[in-house]
Amino acid sequence: ETGVTQTPRHLVMGMTNKKSLKCEQHLGHNAMYWYKQSAKKPLELMFVYNFKEQTENNSVPSRFSPECPNSSHLFLHLHTLQPEDSALYLCASSLGLASYEQYFGPGTRLTVT
Amino acid sequence: QKEVEQDPGPLSVPEGAIVSLNCTYSNSAFQYFMWYRQYSRKGPELLMYTYSSGNKEDGRFTAQVDKSSKYISLFIRDSQPSDSATYLCAMKDTGGFKTIFGAGTRLFVKA
Repeated sequence: ETGVTQTPRHLVMGMTNKKSLKCEQHLGHNAMYWYKQSAKKPLELMFVYNFKEQTENNSVPSRFSPECPNSSHLFLHLHTLQPEDSALYLCASSLGLASYEQYFGPGTRLTVT
Repeated sequence: QKEVEQDPGPLSVPEGAIVSLNCTYSNSAFQYFMWYRQYSRKGPELLMYTYSSGNKEDGRFTAQVDKSSKYISLFIRDSQPSDSATYLCAMKDTGGFKTIFGAGTRLFVKA
C-alpha cells in the first residue's frame, strides 16, 4: 500500500451505534489530520496530530473521539452520532505542521440513519 | 465573512475551452496558495502551489495570485473531459498549521 489509506470506504450506522474509522499513512509523515467534507461546504478541520500528540481540536463534539497510537495510524471513534454528521470524512498527512502540501486518503462516506 | 470564498458551481464547459476558477480571501497573512483537484470517490490531491504573489505555469494550468485584491485564480487551457473534477483552493500563512479550504468548484468538461 502506498500513500494514505482509509477504511472502511463506506459506513452506514444508526444513531446508537459505535464505530471507528481507520487511517494509515505510508509516507513517513509526522502530522496527521481529520477533515469533514459536506456538499458545497469547505473542508472542516476536526483534529490535528503532530508526532502523535494532539495539537488541535477544532471545537468538535465529544461524540467524535480521535486516537493516534503512532505517527502512521489515526482513528476516529464515533458514538451516538446525529444525521447531520453524515458526510465524507477525510484523513490527511503532511511532512510537518508547517508543510503546505497535505496528502489525502480517499475518505470514508458516512451515513447516519 | 468567510476566510475563503469559492463559488461551488457547477461549471460546465465544452472540450477545448479555457476555464477560469477563482477564490477570494480575507486574511492578509496568507502566503501559501494551493489548488487541489478532487476526482469523484477520491481524496483531494495537490495540483499547484504558489508562494506569495505572482503567476505559476505547469503545462495547461496557470495559477495566479493577486494579494492586493486578495484574489486567486486557476486557468485551465484546452480543457479535457479528464479535467472534470472538483477544484478546491486552499491557503495557509507561514506561522500557522491550519490550511483553510474553499468549498470547491465542480467542473464538467463535455466532449
